[in-house]
Amino acid sequence: EVQLVESGGGLVQPGESLRLSCAASGFTFSNYWMHWVRQAPGKGLVWVSYISADGSNTKYADSVKGRFTISRDNAKNTLYLQVNSLRAEDTAVYYCARVREPRSTVWGGFDYWGQGTLVTVSS
Amino acid sequence: DIVMTQSPDSLAVSLGERATINCKSSQSVLYSSNNRNYLAWYQQKPGQPPKLVIYWASTRESGVPDRFSGSGSGTDFTLTINSLQAEDVAVYYCQQYYTTPLTFGGGTKVEIK
Repeated sequence: EVQLVESGGGLVQPGESLRLSCAASGFTFSNYWMHWVRQAPGKGLVWVSYISADGSNTKYADSVKGRFTISRDNAKNTLYLQVNSLRAEDTAVYYCARVREPRSTVWGGFDYWGQGTLVTVSS
Repeated sequence: DIVMTQSPDSLAVSLGERATINCKSSQSVLYSSNNRNYLAWYQQKPGQPPKLVIYWASTRESGVPDRFSGSGSGTDFTLTINSLQAEDVAVYYCQQYYTTPLTFGGGTKVEIK
């Protein structure tokens, strides 16, 4: 059974950092591009970042570029999102998501999502 | 950035009736080399992550009831739920994965009338 389990969220003050993790199981993690998507309380879905299957290719939304870093450890089947210089507007549930198509840049949407981890930025 | 505009923002439909949700992209998400529309639909229930319902604009994800269907091409797309059931109450989002930044529509809340 495919599972994605996020962790690492919490309450932090503006300017602080967190490292979010997404533990994957039930599939060959190293074959899939992975994404982070966030959702502010009561709001819609916003794409944050992606990373290629081998970790060599990454991309970010303009709103997080320079502050967030996506990475992965295929030996540990884990995806990461280092979030620095946090702002109030970064408050959201952060989801990791798997693309539908393995070993491909033609994704077909996101077929598995984690339950999310809540990041709250407040003084 | 490709802007995804959904309509309506919400709709109330009687059980057993049809729900229709529209999604318009600010530029085409049809990739000419493979003739595929890079458009997905998701269902999100309260307190849950999104669930993939439709991909490539019209392909139903495995396990999704056949009352769900997607149509459209280029810039105009529709998600149709035939014979609405109580368990279909949710917010539905369209998403383009044609180019980065990937973008989602604002969501359509479907309720029972």
